[in-house]
Amino acid sequence: GAVVSQHPSWVICKSGTSVKIECRSLDFQATTMFWYRQFPKQSLMLMATSNEGSKATYEQGVEKDKFLINHASLTLSTLTVTSAHPEDSSFYICSAREGGQDYGYTFGSGTRLTVV
Amino acid sequence: AQTVTQSQPEMSVQEAETVTLSCTYDTSENNYYLFWYKQPPSRQMILVIRQEAYKQQNATENRFSVNFQKAAKSFSLKISDSQLGDTAMYFCAFMSTNAGKSTFGDGTTLTVKP
Repeated sequence: GAVVSQHPSWVICKSGTSVKIECRSLDFQATTMFWYRQFPKQSLMLMATSNEGSKATYEQGVEKDKFLINHASLTLSTLTVTSAHPEDSSFYICSAREGGQDYGYTFGSGTRLTVV
Repeated sequence: AQTVTQSQPEMSVQEAETVTLSCTYDTSENNYYLFWYKQPPSRQMILVIRQEAYKQQNATENRFSVNFQKAAKSFSLKISDSQLGDTAMYFCAFMSTNAGKSTFGDGTTLTVKP
């Protein structure tokens, strides 16, 4: 089945630095990828929709200058948390949908970001 | 905008018994997809079962089945012969055929007790 690889699985960074998270579809082309944020024991909050070759669509309230998304190829989307602060600490998950297929999403394994 | 409501924050069931998780949704669309996802302690999201709104037949996947009531906008998940490995947080999700993005419920934490 479809596999989405997300790296790193966890990262600790200092306040003020930037962190890049990668999301790769390993055996299919993902025209659309989604980025979520999840707090402990809560639901997934959609941050943005990433479309290959075009600008990401951000959900209301998500700072596009803080959370930079790049979807340069059909198999790779990246989320960069710029000038990270402790309140950005969270679990970030990506998911991908194979173009034209509506079998639901395949999720990456998530990235736990801790900003100290 | 679509909304998805899971009214049971936590549930528990004895191993080998059956449990049903509730989900209701609100939409004005006629064509859409509904999903149940499982998130175990590893936090890896796993697709459990999927239902197309245009299909009247309820989806089944081994021990997992749904009761889809389109008019009532209800989409419950039944887990039969519960196993310890079923312990997880379960999310109900709605996906529009047009927008492509999903709306998730708040989740139900299921604990299977030995």
